[in-house]
Amino acid sequence: GQNIDQPTEMTATEGAIVQINCTYQTSGFNGLFWYQQHAGEAPTFLSYNVLDGLEEKGRFSSFLSRSKGYSYLLLKELQMKDSASYLCAATDSNYQLIWGAGTKLIIKP
Amino acid sequence: IAGITQAPTSQILAAGRRMTLRCTQDMRHNAMYWYRQDLGLGLRLIHYSNTAGTTGKGEVPDGYSVSRANTDDFPLTLASAVPSQTSVYFCASSDGGNTDTQYFGPGTRLTVL
Repeated sequence: GQNIDQPTEMTATEGAIVQINCTYQTSGFNGLFWYQQHAGEAPTFLSYNVLDGLEEKGRFSSFLSRSKGYSYLLLKELQMKDSASYLCAATDSNYQLIWGAGTKLIIKP
Repeated sequence: IAGITQAPTSQILAAGRRMTLRCTQDMRHNAMYWYRQDLGLGLRLIHYSNTAGTTGKGEVPDGYSVSRANTDDFPLTLASAVPSQTSVYFCASSDGGNTDTQYFGPGTRLTVL
């Protein structure tokens, strides 16, 4: 079957670093997306990984291991505005996106 | 540039009523999608359209229909609403296929009583 797993909720401290993990199982995998979604708002694009390795974009980085079916999103120098849900999504053989339920990240001062 | 707009923002609907959720994009994207988002579940694809004039079924299409008469508009119709269709509905678009970044509208919160 096809499945995306990510933790339901995580808590971190302002200024710290947090890593949000995502494991996926899809047929015909082509790439993995990370989106940010603030409460009551639409998801917004953060990153897209196709090849193995780490891609850095400012305070946010995303890692992919295709052989392990594993990705993570790394957030550095956490700010209160980073409190949001982070959604992991992987492509399947029909080029549709399979979405995880999201990880709610709570930032404490 | 508005991006993607959805209407209405929210709606309370009696079961059995017909309802059309509107979605319009001004980015000239080829592909458009309708998702529903329920608490504790990931976004689930209802229907999609890879280009004007074509549509396809997603993971949860039953009870919903779509049309794509032109590039900009992609309405979603509930022919006879049921309480299980209570959800937040997001429309999205992308320039190409599903491996392209999808951009989301602000969502419609629908309650079916």
